[in-house]
Amino acid sequence: GAVVSQHPSRVICKSGTSVKIECRSLDFQATTMFWYRQFPKKSLMLMATSNEGSKATYEQGVEKDKFLINHASLTLSTLTVTSAHPEDSSFYICSAPLQGYYEQYFGPGTRLTVT
Amino acid sequence: RKEVEQDPGPFNVPEGATVAFNCTYSNSASQSFFWYRQDCRKEPKLLMSVYSSGNEDGRFTAQLNRASQYISLLIRDSKLSDSATYLCVVNGNTNAGKSTFGDGTTLTVKP
Repeated sequence: GAVVSQHPSRVICKSGTSVKIECRSLDFQATTMFWYRQFPKKSLMLMATSNEGSKATYEQGVEKDKFLINHASLTLSTLTVTSAHPEDSSFYICSAPLQGYYEQYFGPGTRLTVT
Repeated sequence: RKEVEQDPGPFNVPEGATVAFNCTYSNSASQSFFWYRQDCRKEPKLLMSVYSSGNEDGRFTAQLNRASQYISLLIRDSKLSDSATYLCVVNGNTNAGKSTFGDGTTLTVKP
């Protein structure tokens, strides 16, 4: 199957700092990528759709100035959590579909802890 | 009402048991359906797609009933390694890939 990587896998940061998470499609091009967050024992919540060459589309209730998304190339999308607070601590996962296919391929996730 | 609803679980079964998970979806325009498996603190991984004709992969059988907007997953002869959370996933009417996830059903298979 297709491979999606994420970096870093774990990050601990202090309140008020910003954290950047990278999502890469390793063996295919992805014009669209998705960013999710997941709380313990809960399902994935779609945060935004990252579109190569255009602005991201955010889901209702997700602050676009708080969660900056940049889809710099056909293989890279980044999520920056700005001015992080403890309530931003979560598991962030990206995914990408293969062109023309419906199923998602997920990155391994990034566990963010804000102290 | 949630767009995708699953059995709340958890399911605790002995090895060798047969277990079935159910899922309903509300958007009748949904086009594609999947079961994903998620292990603790890991990312979801595609288990199988679900088709109206039903599909089988070894011990796993998935069924789709479009009229009832219902999806099922049957696991036969369950193994300890089947312990995980199973996510029902529904995609809309485009191939942009936007997915809606159920909350998942946790399965624990015990010796």
